[in-house]
Amino acid sequence: DVKVTQSSRYLVKRTGEKVFLECVQDMDHENMFWYRQDPGLGLRLIYFSYDVKMKEKGDIPEGYSVSREKKERFSLILESASTNQTSMYLCASSPMGGKDEKLLFGSGTQLSVL
Amino acid sequence: QQQVKQSPQSLIVQKGGISIINCAYENTAFDYFPWYQQFPGKGPALLIAIRPDVSEKKEGRFTISFNKSAKQFSLHIMDSQPGDSATYFCAASIGGYQKVTFGTGTKLQVIP
Repeated sequence: DVKVTQSSRYLVKRTGEKVFLECVQDMDHENMFWYRQDPGLGLRLIYFSYDVKMKEKGDIPEGYSVSREKKERFSLILESASTNQTSMYLCASSPMGGKDEKLLFGSGTQLSVL
Repeated sequence: QQQVKQSPQSLIVQKGGISIINCAYENTAFDYFPWYQQFPGKGPALLIAIRPDVSEKKEGRFTISFNKSAKQFSLHIMDSQPGDSATYFCAASIGGYQKVTFGTGTKLQVIP
């Protein structure tokens, strides 16, 4: 069963901590994405990557960075966590091209920054 | 700047009724319009999608209606069931599989 796996379901961190959110996909997809989900705001794109070591800013990249050293793994990094980064973080992947035009999402990581 | 506007924010429908969720977009370059369904504790999953060369697409009880001139599209759920209770997101993209822009979501509750 193909899937996108996020390393943690719940995470609690302190303000100023460096936070790593990990995502792994087993579908050999070229594209990977990080979204955050907030009530009333929907899903907002933070960063995406279309190839190893490649990254592009989404709509709200401030305060975040990403790393993609291997095709199957895409990490989201909060250099210095702040309370306004408390949110649900969703990782997704998709193939480059082809008929199957859909994002496959992980189950999300609920991050609380205290 | 919200490029895809979605309404209503929440919706309560009786079992057997029709659920309707509306979306509007601004960017005329969008050429792929998917709808995602999200159950509590899960990530969103693709439900149905449409391209602007057709005005309607139906899959089972789910129908997308698309109005290119008005830059609007909607999801209709016929014979709504309690199992349809979820959050629904409309979305739009250019090319289909990169940088998908989502609406703000509609929480649907279908009551028996």
